[in-house]
Amino acid sequence: GAGVSQSPSNKVTEKGKDVELRCDPISGHTALYWYRQSLGQGLEFLIYFQGNSAPDKSGLPSDRFSAERTGGSVSTLTIQRTQQEDSAVYLCASSPFLSWEAFFGQGTRLTVV
Amino acid sequence: AQRVTQPEKLLSVFKGAPVELKCNYSYSGSPELFWYVQYSRQRLQLLLRHISRESIKGFTADLNKGETSFHLKKPFAQEEDSAMYYCALKVTGGGNKLTFGTGTQLKVEL
Repeated sequence: GAGVSQSPSNKVTEKGKDVELRCDPISGHTALYWYRQSLGQGLEFLIYFQGNSAPDKSGLPSDRFSAERTGGSVSTLTIQRTQQEDSAVYLCASSPFLSWEAFFGQGTRLTVV
Repeated sequence: AQRVTQPEKLLSVFKGAPVELKCNYSYSGSPELFWYVQYSRQRLQLLLRHISRESIKGFTADLNKGETSFHLKKPFAQEEDSAMYYCALKVTGGGNKLTFGTGTQLKVEL
């Protein structure tokens, strides 16, 4: 079966440009998470969607970051006016309703030059 | 706010030696704790969950509420155990939100 799919796998962008990262969760999973993985920083929580509830945006580092989830399925993480410190691997995960296990995608490696 | 601490960024052991990856947490309620693992060029995946009290790939972890710890242990390290290990915490009332530690890179040398 298909797992969590993220695109693109790699993205190189110039400082100041906007980027969009896409996540296709496992079908039927109601929970969707975005994390940022940086060297030495571990996994930093960004945002969490659960069904139709208001998302938990408490981890977004600045107002340049936003995310949406359309139709309770696909999610897009948008970073506006990218900075070099945004360079990291962005991980998406999904989880069935009230399940304890998160299933991760392969990540998008973002490099801001 | 909940927090997970993994004090070691890198742990290097010889094959056959015991392994202990440390994890401490701060949370005032009843937590659920997990260990996730990421092997080279693979996705992050669940290794074990404290409630299950099971041994996966020879690894076990016991929740010690008094010490607020959830250390991951294996009596005899294998080369294939080399990976990045993350401890994670889920809090009640927080939905399924997982808070991760900074991770420990385990290197098993021959």
